[in-house]
Amino acid sequence: AQSVAQPEDQVNVAEGNPLTVKCTYSVSGNPYLFWYVQYPNRGLQFLLKYITGDNLVKGSYGFEAEFNKSQTSFHLKKPSALVSDSALYFCAVNRATDKLIFGTGTRLQVFP
Amino acid sequence: DGGITQSPKYLFRKEGQNVTLSCEQNLNHDAMYWYRQDPGQGLRLIYYSQIVNDFQKGDIAEGYSVSREKKESFPLTVTSAQKNPTAFYLCASSAASGASYEQYFGPGTRLTVT
Repeated sequence: AQSVAQPEDQVNVAEGNPLTVKCTYSVSGNPYLFWYVQYPNRGLQFLLKYITGDNLVKGSYGFEAEFNKSQTSFHLKKPSALVSDSALYFCAVNRATDKLIFGTGTRLQVFP
Repeated sequence: DGGITQSPKYLFRKEGQNVTLSCEQNLNHDAMYWYRQDPGQGLRLIYYSQIVNDFQKGDIAEGYSVSREKKESFPLTVTSAQKNPTAFYLCASSAASGASYEQYFGPGTRLTVT
C-alpha cells in the first residue's frame, strides 16, 4: 500500500537560515511526489512535484526538493527561510492511480 | 486558491440535518475531489470524480454523497448518517485524472455540527 510519512510535527528555524522539512514514502514502483503548503484557514497550495528526471526539483517561492530513491525520501528545502514561510506543509505520494496520499503535515515556524 | 470557490466559508448545523457544501471551478478541469481535514490527520479523500456524471468513493465515503452534473460543479452533501461531521472540508480539481497531475484546492468550508 502507498504511504507517506512526515516524521516531524514541527520544525523551528531562524529567519535567514536554511530549512528542511522531511518526507519519506513507501510505494511499489516509481512514485509521483508532491509538496503542498497550507496557511491558516486556507486551502492547500501546490509547491512542486517530482515525476521523473532530475532528482532536484525547483518550485514556487524559492522552495526545492530532492528525490532520493535509495532512501525513499523527498525532503523539502529552502536556502534562506522567511518569516512568511511559516505554515503547514504536506507531502503527498501517488502512483498509477489518481488518488493522492497525504502525510500528516509538518508545521514550519520561522522566527525573526 | 486559484479558480476554485467553496461556499460558505463557515457553516453551522444542528445534529440530524443534512447539509450541502458547494464547490465550483472555472479551470476547465476534468477531475474533482473532496477531502476532509482533521487536526493531526492530514487530508482524507471522501469522493472523487474523473468526469461528468461519474464519481467514485474515496477512503471515508460513509455518510457523504456527491453529484457531478456539470463539469464545473461538484457539491458534497454531509448526511445525518455521518457520525462525526465537524471538520474542515476541502475541494480540489486537476486538469485530468492521473497520478502525475497536481491538484488545486479551494479555500475550504469549516463545518460545525452541534
